[in-house]
Amino acid sequence: QKEVEQDPGPLSVPEGAIVSLNCTYSNSAFQYFMWYRQYSRKGPELLMYTYSSGNKEDGRFTAQVDKSSKYISLFIRDSQPSDSATYLCAFAQGAQKLVFGQGTRLTINP
Amino acid sequence: GAVVSQHPSWVICKSGTSVKIECRSLDFQATTMFWYRQFPKQSLMLMATSNEGSKATYEQGVEKDKFLINHASLTLSTLTVTSAHPEDSSFYICSAPSSSAETQYFGPGTRLLVL
Repeated sequence: QKEVEQDPGPLSVPEGAIVSLNCTYSNSAFQYFMWYRQYSRKGPELLMYTYSSGNKEDGRFTAQVDKSSKYISLFIRDSQPSDSATYLCAFAQGAQKLVFGQGTRLTINP
Repeated sequence: GAVVSQHPSWVICKSGTSVKIECRSLDFQATTMFWYRQFPKQSLMLMATSNEGSKATYEQGVEKDKFLINHASLTLSTLTVTSAHPEDSSFYICSAPSSSAETQYFGPGTRLLVL
């Protein structure tokens, strides 16, 4: 079983749609849960991070963590063409190295 | 968020030459930095952990003599690809942990093309 599973997509939705991106993980020791956005030929940009179960909202983005099910999600409301990118979930155990998902390629169509 | 820079942003070199990539934390100090490699349409793969004042820690399968890492100060880590070959062509990205160590901030990446 892989430590992190993320559907690579590609995922294509119309502008204004609600997007749901998901990752599952198997390591119970993960303490920090992150979502990064990566545009083509750019470094990853931190979108959101959290360390507790529940929801965390920032503008149009909501990160959801369910530690009991080992499942995290990122929701994007009112999606825009500028949201088109690859979204990577990432996990960390203390100050240790990050473990990344495969990344989901998202396209928002005008 | 914190800013991490990389230089150069892209480099083309001949096979057999060495290439140095710099990673700087611009507004914070980082005793640890991480180096990743990313091939097209794939996720980031951790190559090594750079430790200020001590030797780097390499991931399994990464040749330490080929990918030399130096962390000379609290704001600078360098990755030198020695005797580069075309298969070393990739996107190299560094990161540094936040002050709380809860997450990491990434540089913009360096695209290396070895001819």
